[in-house]
Amino acid sequence: KNQVEQSPQSLIILEGKNCTLQCNYTVSPFSNLRWYKQDTGRGPVSLTIMTFSENTKSNGRYTATLDADTKQSSLHITASQLSDSASYICVVSAKTGFQKLVFGTGTRLLVSP
Amino acid sequence: DVKVTQSSRYLVKRTGEKVFLECVQDMDHENMFWYRQDPGLGLRLIYFSYDVKMKEKGDIPEGYSVSREKKERFSLILESASTNQTSMYLCASSLEKYYGYTFGSGTRLTVV
Repeated sequence: KNQVEQSPQSLIILEGKNCTLQCNYTVSPFSNLRWYKQDTGRGPVSLTIMTFSENTKSNGRYTATLDADTKQSSLHITASQLSDSASYICVVSAKTGFQKLVFGTGTRLLVSP
Repeated sequence: DVKVTQSSRYLVKRTGEKVFLECVQDMDHENMFWYRQDPGLGLRLIYFSYDVKMKEKGDIPEGYSVSREKKERFSLILESASTNQTSMYLCASSLEKYYGYTFGSGTRLTVV
């Protein structure tokens, strides 16, 4: 069964600290993996997208890694800011005719002053 | 930047009402999608469309229908709203099959 699991479910960190969010997936055949940031009450906004051959991609203070062998991805946030408080959703696309997106349930991050 | 616009941020409707949720994108994308998002369940696909007048059922189509008469507009219809359809509804569009989704800001629907 295609699944995406994220950990932790929620996280509180102090402003200025770094953190790492995890995503494990069992989606096959793999097409790409995306990380989205979703502010409360808003739609998700894309942070990164990685294909099979890419193992790291950065977007400002956000760095995503992908290990296609172990089917794991991480999102590292550096020097966190209050505006980083949001849910972070890992989404894996299966290459099955039409794109089939499998969503994780997200990690809720709270950055505290 | 691609913009996906959902007509309402918040909506309150009564049980049994017919509800229309509208979504418009401005970048000539072929593919459009409707999802609902509930706590602990993540996003679930209701319907999608890969061309004008074309529609395909997603994972949870029951109680919903869609309409795509123009490329830029994709409407979600709740024929007879029920309280279990209270949710956050998200529209998305994409140009290519396996790439780049852009989401709208969402419509939080409450059915009372």
